[in-house]
Parts: sequence; structure tokens; C-alpha cells
Amino acid sequence: SQQGEEDPQALSIQEGENATMNCSYKTSINNLQWYRQNSGRGLVHLILIRSNEREKHSGRLRVTLDTSKKSSSLLITASRAADTASYFCASNTGNQFYFGTGTSLTVIP
Amino acid sequence: DVKVTQSSRYLVKRTGEKVFLECVQDMDHENMFWYRQDPGLGLRLIYFSYDVKMKEKGDIPEGYSVSREKKERFSLILESASTNQTSMYLCASSLDRGHYGELFFGEGSRLTVL
Repeated sequence: SQQGEEDPQALSIQEGENATMNCSYKTSINNLQWYRQNSGRGLVHLILIRSNEREKHSGRLRVTLDTSKKSSSLLITASRAADTASYFCASNTGNQFYFGTGTSLTVIP
Repeated sequence: DVKVTQSSRYLVKRTGEKVFLECVQDMDHENMFWYRQDPGLGLRLIYFSYDVKMKEKGDIPEGYSVSREKKERFSLILESASTNQTSMYLCASSLDRGHYGELFFGEGSRLTVL
């Protein structure tokens, strides 16, 4: 399988704290993307970082990419209860997307 | 606003039944995908399509087939459903083969095979 893996599998934090989740992937990529999934729903795209980029910001999201280690991290700052969801990374090889197993984030009000 | 619509949110079928899962996108996207999602296994690609009447196998095509007769519609078919096909099925689309952008997902179809 060419799936990636997220770490940790589950994360529980207090509202206002920062949440960091990590992703490792196996193949060379064109870009890496992060998605969010609320319970029982489809995935929603959050942010895309290209293979020649090292860091990207979007609102409260910060993504880093280290292609030498085949890894990425997603930081959510000042978390809110509404951020409670599962988060997936997806490595895009240009032909396919390969998803990680997800991190389940719980933000406690 | 972009939209991917899956015809059924919840289905319950019996072993051996033929099951159709329909997916329609209204964004004129060339690429369409079917994934299944299981706890602890993440999303696994079943089939994908880059064009009408074109299909390619993903990582787990066994027990499934697909049909893409029109650009906007991509159907997943379980010829003879089995209990191990109980899962959440997610359809997605993306713009075109040379565009490395985001996937747009439907809301998912949760299939239970008894």
C-alpha cells in the first residue's frame, strides 16, 4: 500500500490550545493536501502545499513539508470546539491521491 | 458552489444483491474517484476515471466495477454484495489530469450488507 500515516491517531486538547498533527508518506509527490472530515460526512479540503514549498499558512492553519523526510505537519492555532473532526493528509503524485489513516481531534470547550 | 452528490446516504442490502452507488458532479471535472473508508484503514481507492468511458483500477478493485457513461456521473457497482463490503463509500472529483489541485467529496454512502 502507498498510504501515508498520521500521528497521533487521536488528540484531545482544551479550547484555545494549539493542535499539531503529523503525516508521513511513501512516494514522491507533486503536492500534499490536508482534509477535514466531520463525523459521518465527506471530506473537505483545507490546504495544499506544493513539493517545492516548505511552509504555508491559511488563517489558523499552518502546514510544513519536509520532502527529504517525506513528512508534513498541520498546526491549528487557537483551537475551537468546532475544530473537532478527523484530519487526513493526502499525498498527490499527479496521478493519484494517497490518504493517511487520519488524526481524530477533540477540542474540549 | 461546487457540488458532488451521492445518491444514497444510507443503504442496507443483503448478501448477494447487486448494489449501485451513484455519484454526480456539477463542476465539469474530468477526474472522478471512488474510495471506501474503514476505521483504522483510512481511505482506500477502489477505481478512478479520467474521462468518459475510461476507468482504472485503484488499490482494492476486487468485487467492484464502475461505469462512466457521462462526464458528470460515475457509478460504483457491487455485482454480488458481501458482508466485507460493509463500509462508507466516498465519491470525489478533481478538475483534470494535469491539474494537481484539490479533491471535492460527496457526503458519503454508508452501506451495510447483511
